[in-house]
Amino acid sequence: EAQVTQNPRYLITVTGKKLTVTCSQNMNHEYMSWYRQDPGLGLRQIYYSMNVEVTDKGDVPEGYKVSRKEKRNFPLILESPSPNQTSLYFCASSPFNNQPQHFGDGTRLSIL
Amino acid sequence: AQTVTQSQPEMSVQEAETVTLSCTYDTSESDYYLFWYKQPPSRQMILVIRQEAYKQQNATENRFSVNFQKAAKSFSLKISDSQLGDAAMYFCAYRSAREYGNKLVFGAGTILRVKS
Repeated sequence: EAQVTQNPRYLITVTGKKLTVTCSQNMNHEYMSWYRQDPGLGLRQIYYSMNVEVTDKGDVPEGYKVSRKEKRNFPLILESPSPNQTSLYFCASSPFNNQPQHFGDGTRLSIL
Repeated sequence: AQTVTQSQPEMSVQEAETVTLSCTYDTSESDYYLFWYKQPPSRQMILVIRQEAYKQQNATENRFSVNFQKAAKSFSLKISDSQLGDAAMYFCAYRSAREYGNKLVFGAGTILRVKS
């Protein structure tokens, strides 16, 4: 089954404790993105990747890092999480630019 | 930068009736795509319908159709014969056809409630 898998689905943690949200797709897609969803703001792109070792900032990259060492994986790293990063996070992938995106099921992060 | 505005935070519709969700956007580009996504309580993001800006014909998908007014920068979603399963948050989204990154720009969303 074609899918984008995120883990964990829920996480409660404390300020400053490094965390990684994993994202994996099994469709051999070139493009992958991370979005965060906040009430009243919709979803906003954090980072995207056009292929292995090619990543770039989206609209809200501060406080986040990403890597793309393998085509299928695109982890989101919060080196020193802060409460303003409490949000619902989505990973998405598409075959290439200008193609519909497949979304993961979301990760709810709460940072205390 | 492009922006997307959904002016209706919440809407209600009676089962079997028709409802229209509003969306306006701002862009200086002529080539772009517009989308409506549905997010049920399960949090999944489900693509409902897509419109290419160069197409004059409004997109339809079964009970879902859009009214695309390019000059007015308006992109409303009409849901006919509403069903209980249509209850969800609906997001309007824009994507440039020129930019890299495949970035979707989302509106704030409209919560749709369906009454039985």
